[in-house]
Amino acid sequence: QVQLQESGPGLVKPSETLSLTCSVSGVSTKNHYWNWIRQTPGKRLEWIGYIHESGRSRDNPSLQSRVTMSVDTSKNQISLQLTSVTAADTALYYCARWGETSDPNCRAFDYWGQGTLVAVSS
Amino acid sequence: EIVLTQSPDTLSLSPGERGTLSCRASQYVASGNLVWYQQKPGQAPRLLVYGASSRATGIPDRFSGSGSGTDFTLTISRLEPEDSAVYYCQQYEDAPLTFGGGTKLEIK
Repeated sequence: QVQLQESGPGLVKPSETLSLTCSVSGVSTKNHYWNWIRQTPGKRLEWIGYIHESGRSRDNPSLQSRVTMSVDTSKNQISLQLTSVTAADTALYYCARWGETSDPNCRAFDYWGQGTLVAVSS
Repeated sequence: EIVLTQSPDTLSLSPGERGTLSCRASQYVASGNLVWYQQKPGQAPRLLVYGASSRATGIPDRFSGSGSGTDFTLTISRLEPEDSAVYYCQQYEDAPLTFGGGTKLEIK
């Protein structure tokens, strides 16, 4: 049974760095693309980026190069760092696997964590 | 960036009725690259339909997806109270991956 669990501080001060961890069980973090997605208070979903164990990564240009992601296959964890946060970064942060489907030409976010709420405030 | 516009914002229907949810893309999206998710209160989104029209594992056949190009539809026939949720479409035709704003389905 695949499970993802996000963790991190619930409160971050403006201009500081937000750091989150996603612990994965039931599947190896190897050979998959792991994503961070956030949901704003208005319920909008925003893709933050993905990371692969090979080091390949891509993030959303809207975040203006503030994103760093990594995979620790020995701990089976994914991590996210978002620098220079502002109130606009207040959101529920999810990790999710970009997985295969029954159609080899199609993919989707097939497993999600429950999310961790982060507020940016002084 | 491909913008996905979902309509209506809210849909209020009775059990047994049919619900039709729309997702319109600002640019061409190949059918294989369009996905639908369901999110219930307090839960993470759940994969519903991938490749625009293929149901994910365990999804009842009351849910069906269709469409191509820039217009996609999620149809839920024979609505049940448990279908009350927010539904999101998502594309991966081009980076950045983007989601629609969601349609809230209320079952009266």
